[in-house]
Amino acid sequence: DAKTTQPPSMDCAEGRAANLPCNHSTISGNEYVYWYRQIHSQGPQYIIHGLKNNETNEMASLIITEDRKSSTLILPHATLRDTAVYYCIVDRWDSGAGSYQLTFGKGTKLSVIP
Amino acid sequence: NAGVTQTPKFRILKIGQSMTLQCTQDMNHNYMYWYRQDPGMGLKLIYYSVGAGITDKGEVPNGYNVSRSTTEDFPLRLELAAPSQTSVYFCASSMGLGVTSQYFGAGTRLSVL
Repeated sequence: DAKTTQPPSMDCAEGRAANLPCNHSTISGNEYVYWYRQIHSQGPQYIIHGLKNNETNEMASLIITEDRKSSTLILPHATLRDTAVYYCIVDRWDSGAGSYQLTFGKGTKLSVIP
Repeated sequence: NAGVTQTPKFRILKIGQSMTLQCTQDMNHNYMYWYRQDPGMGLKLIYYSVGAGITDKGEVPNGYNVSRSTTEDFPLRLELAAPSQTSVYFCASSMGLGVTSQYFGAGTRLSVL
């Protein structure tokens, strides 16, 4: 089971900031928070990830609460092309395999409205 | 770089047929993954590989087999196709060293009738 909880859907007006919340109350100290998105019929696309500090890149900002039990992905100026399903993922380290394995839940369907 | 390339894009199989879904990456990534995505659902991990010659099961491996003879290629084999395997299949790769992102292919849409 996914270790995150996200609202099933959200709307955002074009040009406004889109704030997508995610709860991950059982996150462990060495687990990262990843965000991916999936535009209709395409493969998922990496957006951003973080551990404790807030992060920003050319696509988005990630705000993680001090207790790390929740986070918010911010798209500063949403466009119609940002309409997609957004997945919040807490990575799982498999010590036996020595790899991170991402568990995708159902995500949040963001609709950007003209 | 082409990134992660999957073939075919679409395929219809009859029950009991077999097929191989191809996946190739040109980023010299050590880690590769196969996921399936059923309609309206998230992705589920089928198999993964941490390097050539090494593979391991994910969450839903039954009915599938994989091999990893080279760093670049990670084919997924369906031996006896069943309607329950109707899904979209995504291949992904990552460096796998520390915290890294996964890069996904465009997917293969498979229908088993």
